[in-house]
Amino acid sequence: AQKITQTQPGMFVQEKEAVTLDCTYDTSDPSYGLFWYKQPSSGEMIFLIYQGSYDQQNATEGRYSLNFQKARKSANLVISASQLGDSAMYFCAMREGPRNTPLVFGKGTRLSVIA
Amino acid sequence: DVKVTQSSRYLVKRTGEKVFLECVQDMDHENMFWYRQDPGLGLRLIYFSYDVKMKEKGDIPEGYSVSREKKERFSLILESASTNQTSMYLCASRRDRASDEQFFGPGTRLTVL
Repeated sequence: AQKITQTQPGMFVQEKEAVTLDCTYDTSDPSYGLFWYKQPSSGEMIFLIYQGSYDQQNATEGRYSLNFQKARKSANLVISASQLGDSAMYFCAMREGPRNTPLVFGKGTRLSVIA
Repeated sequence: DVKVTQSSRYLVKRTGEKVFLECVQDMDHENMFWYRQDPGLGLRLIYFSYDVKMKEKGDIPEGYSVSREKKERFSLILESASTNQTSMYLCASRRDRASDEQFFGPGTRLTVL
């Protein structure tokens, strides 16, 4: 079974609008971490935001916020006020169990921001 | 700033060749990782290392081996390259087992003809 599911292969959003990128995860471990990375066309992976399974509040970093719904096992990324530079691939990832395990990635969502 | 560098951005090799992909990090990180990225499949873990001379298999280790003789360097080896190993290869490092964030290199796009 897939550990991380990103159901949207591609998304379009108008500049200055908000967009939500979906991510659901599958784990039976009570301790885990959820990550979002951005990959522009240049190829480098840029860390955006992190949410721990025991964190009480949703994580926020500037225009990025993580809508963490534990019971539904979802960790959607919300980008507010989209900019042209937000056009990229976005990957959701999970660290399952103790901190020493590697990240498992979803298949990604390609976001295109339209002027 | 953490810097993870990979020896080549683009590489073209022939079937059957032995291929070395090098990754170096400059922040004294203990953990290092090799992923391959293919369209529609996301990133898949090949091998990782928690410390010098240690290595662990990831999800798709077949056809690959690794070497970690020094803390800062983690090499991915394709013993006999095949066309199905044409892919983008991404190296990452992490400070230690208690850390969360993985820092990535720029990637090596390998084509095997």
